[in-house]
Amino acid sequence: NAGVTQTPKFQVLKTGQSMTLQCAQDMNHNSMYWYRQDPGMGLRLIYYSASEGTTDKGEVPNGYNVSRLNKREFSLRLESAAPSQTSVYFCASTARANTGELFFGEGSRLTVL
Amino acid sequence: QKEVEQDPGPLSVPEGAIVSLNCTYSNSAFQYFMWYRQYSRKGPELLMYTYSSGNKEDGRFTAQVDKSSKYISLFIRDSQPSDSATYLCAMSAQSGGGADGLTFGKGTHLIIQP
Repeated sequence: NAGVTQTPKFQVLKTGQSMTLQCAQDMNHNSMYWYRQDPGMGLRLIYYSASEGTTDKGEVPNGYNVSRLNKREFSLRLESAAPSQTSVYFCASTARANTGELFFGEGSRLTVL
Repeated sequence: QKEVEQDPGPLSVPEGAIVSLNCTYSNSAFQYFMWYRQYSRKGPELLMYTYSSGNKEDGRFTAQVDKSSKYISLFIRDSQPSDSATYLCAMSAQSGGGADGLTFGKGTHLIIQP
């Protein structure tokens, strides 16, 4: 029972490099989310996708792009990484978007030098 | 003023003690209340979920919501070292979902001493 799977788990980038974080869920959920978690800041929503084919900005979307590839997969792209994007990134999904019952992946730890 | 306030701790208690974790909030539109547990270097996992006011019990865990005071609590009875984790409260407005549907507290770091 995989749930929400994120890759890679760890990544080190240099300033200006680009990369894509991948997320896949096997629970047939419609809604998927990308959060970042920073010390003292809590979880902050970057982007979300209410259903296949739709994406919307969250609280901190600047510097990121997303793609809802199909119902299972939701990717997060950093086009030109900055040190301020050093963080732990979590993907989550839910079948009940209005209630907030989220299922999270284990996280992707990104360091930008 | 932050929408959700949560003491970051750390909160350290001896094994077997009753633990009380709390959050206060300011948005009266919140209808759904959750507690997530996050172990070190892991993703948050949903622990308790309640709708509107009242209590909900699940084993050693009890979630309590007081909407009149805008205050929610999580009680852990007979605490175990395996309960050591960060506990995040989260709240959602029924008409929300997506960007404005879920607000997290910053989490309380709990340590259960053997």
